[in-house]
Amino acid sequence: NAGVTQTPKFQVLKTGQSMTLQCAQDMNHEYMSWYRQDPGMGLRLIHYSVGAGITDQGEVPNGYNVSRSTTEDFPLRLLSAAPSQTSVYFCASSYSSASGNTIYFGEGSWLTVV
Amino acid sequence: KQEVTQIPAALSVPEGENLVLNCSFTDSAIYNLQWFRQDPGKGLTSLLLIQSSQREQTSGRLNASLDKSSGRSTLYIAASQPGDSATYLCAVRRDFGNEKLTFGTGTRLTIIP
Repeated sequence: NAGVTQTPKFQVLKTGQSMTLQCAQDMNHEYMSWYRQDPGMGLRLIHYSVGAGITDQGEVPNGYNVSRSTTEDFPLRLLSAAPSQTSVYFCASSYSSASGNTIYFGEGSWLTVV
Repeated sequence: KQEVTQIPAALSVPEGENLVLNCSFTDSAIYNLQWFRQDPGKGLTSLLLIQSSQREQTSGRLNASLDKSSGRSTLYIAASQPGDSATYLCAVRRDFGNEKLTFGTGTRLTIIP
């Protein structure tokens, strides 16, 4: 059972370049999300999706774009990379039920923008 | 806006000691609170989830408590081991079916052999 898979693990970009962070889950979860983790600031929500074809903004969406064409995949696009986007990015998938919530995180993507 | 705080940011204790990690939140209107563990270079792993109607949850040597009215949660680790060394984060959920989490900044725990 692969869970949540993120690629690439590490990436260095030049300012102004664009790239896509890939995220895939094999648990048929409807809810997927992207967070960024910066020192001293915890994880902050970038974008999320409640199902295929439905996305919405989180706390820090500027400079990022997402789409959800399938239940399994939720890529995060950096349109024009800036040094402020240097961070660790985590993708998560989850579902809610009356008995609680189950959430799984990927292992992270380390992005450096120079 | 919900704010979640974890103090201290780092903690070192000798192996075998019991310890408590703290989490506080500003808005008591939460659905549940979750504790996670993060190892260096890895993602987050869920440890315990407490519903707003519950006072505590236990899993092995871990016990999490919740006092919603005062905006506090604690994670108690009994008989600490070097393998417990990691960063521990708490996160709150506002509504049922709302999977948006608000995270604390974490406590980096080091257990000294």
